[in-house]
Amino acid sequence: DQQVKQNSPSLSVQEGRISILNCDYTNSMFDYFLWYKKYPAEGPTFLISISSIKDKNEDGRFTVFLNKSAKHLSLHIVPSQPGDSAVYFCAAGPTGTASKLTFGTGTRLQVTL
Amino acid sequence: GAGVSQSPSNKVTEKGKDVELRCDPISGHTALYWYRQRLGQGLEFLIYFQGNSAPDKSGLPSDRFSAERTGESVSTLTIQRTQQEDSAVYLCASSSLGSYNSPLHFGNGTRLTVT
Repeated sequence: DQQVKQNSPSLSVQEGRISILNCDYTNSMFDYFLWYKKYPAEGPTFLISISSIKDKNEDGRFTVFLNKSAKHLSLHIVPSQPGDSAVYFCAAGPTGTASKLTFGTGTRLQVTL
Repeated sequence: GAGVSQSPSNKVTEKGKDVELRCDPISGHTALYWYRQRLGQGLEFLIYFQGNSAPDKSGLPSDRFSAERTGESVSTLTIQRTQQEDSAVYLCASSSLGSYNSPLHFGNGTRLTVT
């Protein structure tokens, strides 16, 4: 049972445009959400996070939006750059406990010139 | 600056053999995690250490899998009698706390191929 779903395995966006990566979750106990970015042959690196008390968190070109009622979050990258080409993983978990994250299957973003 | 180090980076083994995968976390990080990623799939949680104890080992897929951590530092993941379905990239991560206020820092992984 996939508790965290990234339904788009890949996305291609032109340089300078907005990239929108989506993530859906099913577990109501999840209240902390993160995005990780992964280049080939490297481990994932933390990008941005959001807790359920917020609906938006911004860090430079990256913004994460959370819609709790829809159990949906999205990552916006504006403007997209070629160096953003990577696989992006959505992850979720309950706060307050030192527990494991549940990761989605990832979306491969390609930013074209 | 030393990040999370994993060795070997690649391992090819025959079905039925045992393998040991090593993780050196960031110095001072008390929390250590093992994940694996099989081809075309997401990251799958295996086990979590806080210090040298493993309060959550619920992700270990079978009793062929075991892990230990010593000195609140190095961790070893052992797979006995490997099977082809064990082929995956095994990722280790550490964090300064066991909470999400301190994001996970991942190593580059060990790619395990069981032939």
